[in-house]
Amino acid sequence: RKEVEQDPGPFNVPEGATVAFNCTYSNSASQSFFWYRQDCRKEPKLLMSVYSSGNEDGRFTAQLNRASQYISLLIRDSKLSDSATYLCVVNGVSGAGSYQLTFGKGTKLSVIP
Amino acid sequence: DAGVIQSPRHEVTEMGQEVTLRCKPISGHNSLFWYRQTMMRGLELLIYFNNNVPIDDSGMPEDRFSAKMPNASFSTLKIQPSEPRDSAVYFCASLTWGLGTEAFFGQGTRLTVV
Repeated sequence: RKEVEQDPGPFNVPEGATVAFNCTYSNSASQSFFWYRQDCRKEPKLLMSVYSSGNEDGRFTAQLNRASQYISLLIRDSKLSDSATYLCVVNGVSGAGSYQLTFGKGTKLSVIP
Repeated sequence: DAGVIQSPRHEVTEMGQEVTLRCKPISGHNSLFWYRQTMMRGLELLIYFNNNVPIDDSGMPEDRFSAKMPNASFSTLKIQPSEPRDSAVYFCASLTWGLGTEAFFGQGTRLTVV
């Protein structure tokens, strides 16, 4: 099983739609979780951290389910500017015993006018 | 701070040549990562330094790859000899571990080996 797994998409949705992405992780000892956004030919940037209680930032809501080892991102009222690749990121202890950030391959979102 | 700075932004080289990628992390950050990104494999961690010391290099593909961090403000990733399959975007990121850790990425080096 891959360490961090995401549906690659693409998700093609109309403006104003609600879209949800899921991500699963294999290391049950993982400690913190994030969603990053990567625009075409740009570097990844932090979108939001994911907390056990769930957290919201405007149109974006992130949830964590530790028992099932999955993370979700919900985007409401999609905008054209939301078109990007969304990367699920997990902070855990590697096989070498060090902390590391492990990235999923990303889910591509295209919002269509 | 100007953020994480990588150079060059683009590099085209012939197979067999040596390639050196450079990274200047954000001042005060104590961890530095080198990632490689391709369409097929996504973002792969190559190596990670803590306080200038390599902690985990299990992602370095083979002996042709080497990385150094001689001080807190500079790191290099070297490929010698380069091969076409090394073509990718190479990102450097830095952070300081703690609650709400955020990794800041440089703009990347797009490497093409012909």
